Amino acid sequence: EPEVTQTPSHQVTQMGQEVILRCVPISNHLYFYWYRQILGQKVEFLVSFYNNEISEKSEIFDDQFSVERPDGSNFTLKIRSTKLEDSAMYFCASNLGGGDYEQYFGPGTRLTVT
Amino acid sequence: SQQGEEDPQALSIQEGENATMNCSYKTSINNLQWYRQNSGRGLVHLILIRSNEREKHSGRLRVTLDTSKKSSSLLITASRAADTASYFCATDSNSGNTPLVFGKGTRLSVIA
Repeated sequence: EPEVTQTPSHQVTQMGQEVILRCVPISNHLYFYWYRQILGQKVEFLVSFYNNEISEKSEIFDDQFSVERPDGSNFTLKIRSTKLEDSAMYFCASNLGGGDYEQYFGPGTRLTVT
Repeated sequence: SQQGEEDPQALSIQEGENATMNCSYKTSINNLQWYRQNSGRGLVHLILIRSNEREKHSGRLRVTLDTSKKSSSLLITASRAADTASYFCATDSNSGNTPLVFGKGTRLSVIA
């Protein structure tokens, strides 16, 4: 069964460093999302992407964040200068669209900023 | 903003019993989805119920939706130790294909 994949599973970085989190959505899906979950808290929406552009973003998704779909399969989230409070689990999700609204999530990348 | 909120926050039952978790939300929705998360792991999609549906089944799962009360319930029948996880409801907006808003989840423990 097709699934969303994410790499790496765990990323440790120093404060101020740039990180890129990678996702491969399900191949025929058209809508892509990034969410994050700080330990012990709710899953929070960051950004959605459709037709090669951002369709929605939350207040969390400030200028330090960017997303890209560099080719037909990858979907990346970049954090330019990480802060301690960026430590969280980051989930990528995708859905097919066209009335098919189930969002399927990847296994997540645990980002630890030290 | 709309928000899925589950109750109870934690539920502990014996294997073989049924587990019921509830979710409430604030604004109109297109769909409501339930997810499971094992500790520190990813979110597994369980079931989606559309706003024009009242009940849906999938295996041992039964989901109901009452849009007049803005609430949903997830029933797991004949629970197993492997059902131990956190369960979240997530709502989207009226138009679908939109960001999901998650509740805080219910932590279910099934004791063998």
